[in-house]
Amino acid sequence: DSGVTQTPKHLITATGQRVTLRCSPRSGDLSVYWYQQSLDQGLQFLIHYYNGEERAKGNILERFSAQQFPDLHSELNLSSLELGDSALYFCASSPVAGAYNEQFFGPGTRLTVL
Amino acid sequence: GENVEQHPSTLSVQEGDSAVIKCTYSDSASNYFPWYKQELGKRPQLIIDIRSNVGEKKDQRIAVTLNKTAKHFSLHITETQPEDSAVYFCAAKDAGNMLTFGGGTRLMVKP
Repeated sequence: DSGVTQTPKHLITATGQRVTLRCSPRSGDLSVYWYQQSLDQGLQFLIHYYNGEERAKGNILERFSAQQFPDLHSELNLSSLELGDSALYFCASSPVAGAYNEQFFGPGTRLTVL
Repeated sequence: GENVEQHPSTLSVQEGDSAVIKCTYSDSASNYFPWYKQELGKRPQLIIDIRSNVGEKKDQRIAVTLNKTAKHFSLHITETQPEDSAVYFCAAKDAGNMLTFGGGTRLMVKP
């Protein structure tokens, strides 16, 4: 157990819908990262938040957005869902935003879009 | 942006043999290179990492080497065991603090 929690574990929804994925970082960690892992694919970096502020953006679609709240939990919002958005979504946390910090991954949320 | 390529995509070895996975990166400013192991249906977990000012690091049966000039780094697992079977990902962190992952290597250790 990494100490990072994600809810829900599984989510099944229909095309065109909107969902919210939630992540609680390890106690004391200020950085939260979101990744998308499609079937048999690698991990695609989506976005990084540090202490409530956006720090870096990767290949995140305009239909996706995220935020980090004052209590440091983060939410990833996915809207106008398409079949291709079906994937495992991981969040990870680290203590600070520096270069050498290990990222601890949560268990992931499996999103299925029908 | 950074681009990380990982080879091979699948690797099958006999128990007790060694396994080597290689990665190349494109951004010479990248300065941190972690390796993650992901078992089926589980989260990625860090197994070893190396900073750009170090050429080699070892932790029991696992070692990582880094060649900054050639921009490649490798994971070496010796005396492989069935429980080493998993998908392994290399990654590179650039100056913008973004972690770019390789495509993954599925390692199968046959008993």
